[in-house]
Amino acid sequence: NAGVTQTPKFRVLKTGQSMTLLCAQDMNHEYMYWYRQDPGMGLRLIHYSVGEGTTAKGEVPDGYNVSRLKKQNFLLGLESAAPSQTSVYFCASSYIYPSYEQYFGPGTRLTVT
Amino acid sequence: SQQGEEDPQALSIQEGENATMNCSYKTSINNLQWYRQNSGRGLVHLILIRSNEREKHSGRLRVTLDTSKKSSSLLITASRAADTASYFCATARLNNNDMRFGAGTRLTVKP
Repeated sequence: NAGVTQTPKFRVLKTGQSMTLLCAQDMNHEYMYWYRQDPGMGLRLIHYSVGEGTTAKGEVPDGYNVSRLKKQNFLLGLESAAPSQTSVYFCASSYIYPSYEQYFGPGTRLTVT
Repeated sequence: SQQGEEDPQALSIQEGENATMNCSYKTSINNLQWYRQNSGRGLVHLILIRSNEREKHSGRLRVTLDTSKKSSSLLITASRAADTASYFCATARLNNNDMRFGAGTRLTVKP
């Protein structure tokens, strides 16, 4: 089992560019999440999904879009990157919510210049 | 806004000592979880305590939960240099599908 994988691991964007982060899990989990982690802020939830074909907004959704076309994949898109989106992005998955632990990917470090 | 607030922000101890970290939260919860993050890595789940539980143990970890005070503590006994990491509490809120993380406690265990 690879667990939760994220691609890419690092990315540098210019302001206004777009990109998609891919998260994949092989544990047949229903729930998937995208977080961002900024220094001294802990993790903040961007969007999440409770199953294939569903998405919902989290705490800080502005400037991001997501899609869950397949159960094992959860995509995070930035349509027009801004310097404020410089952060480390983590994907996580869980069997169901809220009684089960979340499994995290290794993170994507994004810098927007 | 963040749900959990960890205290202290940073803690430095000698190997073999115990480390205690605290977490306070604001709203009613279903459960509270503790995670560890090594530098540059993703978070790893340590322990989950449900709202109707008061104490839970896992190896060298002991977690308590006081729902009346909306607080939890994580105790790591006989710490090791390998325990050096950041520790986060996360609350699964009632009637809500998201989990809120605190800002974390950075623990340094000196050999």
